[in-house]
Amino acid sequence: QSALTQPRSVSGSPGQSVTISCTGTSSDVGAYNYVSWYQQHPDKAPQLMIYEVSKRPSGVPNRFSGSKSGNTASLTISGLQAEDEADYYCCSNAGSHIYVFGTGTKVTVL
Amino acid sequence: EVQLVESGGGLVQPGGSLRLSCAASGFTFSSYWMGWVRQAPGKGLEWVANIAPGGSDKYYVGSVKGRFTISRDNAENSLYLQMNSLRGEDSAIYSCARWGVTAGLDSWGQGTLVTVSS
Repeated sequence: QSALTQPRSVSGSPGQSVTISCTGTSSDVGAYNYVSWYQQHPDKAPQLMIYEVSKRPSGVPNRFSGSKSGNTASLTISGLQAEDEADYYCCSNAGSHIYVFGTGTKVTVL
Repeated sequence: EVQLVESGGGLVQPGGSLRLSCAASGFTFSSYWMGWVRQAPGKGLEWVANIAPGGSDKYYVGSVKGRFTISRDNAENSLYLQMNSLRGEDSAIYSCARWGVTAGLDSWGQGTLVTVSS
């Protein structure tokens, strides 16, 4: 159960789009459509932003979108806003109620 | 409003034990999968364990298997994590979280800090 690989950081100016990748293996990301994404502001609890690869919970702005191709999932933030500056983590099912998180990505709004 | 409140963290020596609790309210606790997630200071999230609504099915990350036990008391709306043979690398903030019908962790507690040190 190795952590999924995410870039350490990404950045963009307000209004721009940024994409965070989440690379796993054929035993986790590639095998299941149970990829979720979490946003975590400093000293706050994580918040679910995307579930089942591309679905948004109610209340999450539609500028957040998710996708998957092969062993890599992606989170795209379109129309970047200052409040989007946070850490983001992907999470994938790795078989039978076993889960693995990504290494985390810090998003900076320039 | 869904609320999850952890307790039981603290300082413990290597090899020691600790029992964490999570008090749940605002939803039908007995209907949901629950889990524990930890985060070492300044580090990323790590899934630790899951438990089925009825409590019979339990799953663990490899590094805690045989040392940690997840359990629940649906009558008390409470989730537990018994941690034995603690190691320095177990030091982290431990948070309980609810697996929603969305197959994502849709509610989280604020966490309780566990420090393993002599």
